[in-house]
Amino acid sequence: SQQGEEDPQALSIQEGENATMNCSYKTSINNLQWYRQNSGRGLVHLILIRSNEREKHSGRLRVTLDTSKKSSSLLITASRAADTASYFCATDPAGGTSYGKLTFGQGTILTVHP
Amino acid sequence: GAGVSQSPRYKVAKRGQDVALRCDPISGHVSLFWYQQALGQGPEFLTYFQNEAQLDKSGLPSDRFFAERPEGSVSTLKIQRTQQEDSAVYLCASSPRTGYGYTFGSGTRLTVV
Repeated sequence: SQQGEEDPQALSIQEGENATMNCSYKTSINNLQWYRQNSGRGLVHLILIRSNEREKHSGRLRVTLDTSKKSSSLLITASRAADTASYFCATDPAGGTSYGKLTFGQGTILTVHP
Repeated sequence: GAGVSQSPRYKVAKRGQDVALRCDPISGHVSLFWYQQALGQGPEFLTYFQNEAQLDKSGLPSDRFFAERPEGSVSTLKIQRTQQEDSAVYLCASSPRTGYGYTFGSGTRLTVV
């Protein structure tokens, strides 16, 4: 079963614009993670935000977490054509396993036009 | 190695055949996960190993699916008597410990014809 739901399902923007993707989840979490997947490849870990954190930055990426609304957003600033990929959020549910078993959403397909 | 290695990259099996998919995780990573990803979907959990112990196999869809990691490093996912619904990308991921992100392999794309 999929815990996270990404919104929008697909996003198309021009190079240089910002891209925002949202993720909503149902149960309390230990942490939430974002991954990128290029077509036909494995997933690449982008960023992990813990339940007691509200915002995190990594290069052009900014992730926010609102545990009261059970939602997170991923912002990619100054997008590039190379950012074209599918983006997934994944949650490690609190009170679940002790080993960080992740549940993934269905992803947002981002297309950045040159 | 530098990353998680999976083989084969692509596998075409006739319905009813047995297949074995290999995962070579990052050296020293305690945790190893197998996920199944259908086209256009997010990965779905199959099974988890902590070293050589299979601690969770709740996601394996049927008793035709079997996974092992006998020496706590390389893992094999075996599917017996493959069916068309088994067609998917099978992803392996490893992690040094709880609370860290996963490193995924490139996956094995299985097509059952």
